[in-house]
Amino acid sequence: EVQLVESGGGLVQPGGSLRLSCAASGFTFSSYSMNWVRQAPGKGLEWVSYISSSSSTIYYADSVKGRFTISRDNAKNSLYLQMNSLRDEDTAVYYCARENYGGNSYYFDYWGQGTLVTVSS
Amino acid sequence: QSVLTQPPSASGTPGQRVTISCSGSSSNIGSNTVNWYQQLPGTAPKLLIYSNNQRPSGVPDRFSGSKSGTSASLAISGLQSEDEADYYCAAWDDSLNGQVFGGGTKLTVL
Repeated sequence: EVQLVESGGGLVQPGGSLRLSCAASGFTFSSYSMNWVRQAPGKGLEWVSYISSSSSTIYYADSVKGRFTISRDNAKNSLYLQMNSLRDEDTAVYYCARENYGGNSYYFDYWGQGTLVTVSS
Repeated sequence: QSVLTQPPSASGTPGQRVTISCSGSSSNIGSNTVNWYQQLPGTAPKLLIYSNNQRPSGVPDRFSGSKSGTSASLAISGLQSEDEADYYCAAWDDSLNGQVFGGGTKLTVL
């Protein structure tokens, strides 16, 4: 059974840092690209970042570029998101999502339960 | 302001057919496939439709998707109370080099 379990969320002051983790199990982690998607309270989904299976390709949303860093450790079946210079508007539930390919399409077929990040003084 | 545009709400009675639209541009829907996600209250999103009109195993055939030009639609037939959820369209955007989502549509079953 595919499982994605996020951790590391919490309360942090504006300007602070936080590191999120996503532990993967039930599939060959090193074969899949991974993503972070966030959802502010009462709002819609916002894609945050993408990392390819070998970490050779990385993308970020403009809203987090230069502040967030995505990484992975295939030996530990883990995905990470280092978040620096946090702002109030970064407050959200952060989901990790597995990316799959089929039918000439890339899509997020499994999602974690999410971890809440609250940026407030 | 989301890159993809969805109506904020939709509603229907049990057994009815409802459709949810998703409008984009040439850099996203116009040149890439569309996926749909369902988010039940208090839960993580779940893949509902991928590659415009493909259903993952386990998704009832009451759910169907279509795409034409720079727009896409999700149709739900035989509406059931358990379909009450938020629905999001998504596509890759070639200009932004990232996934873009619609703002979400809250479906209410009356």
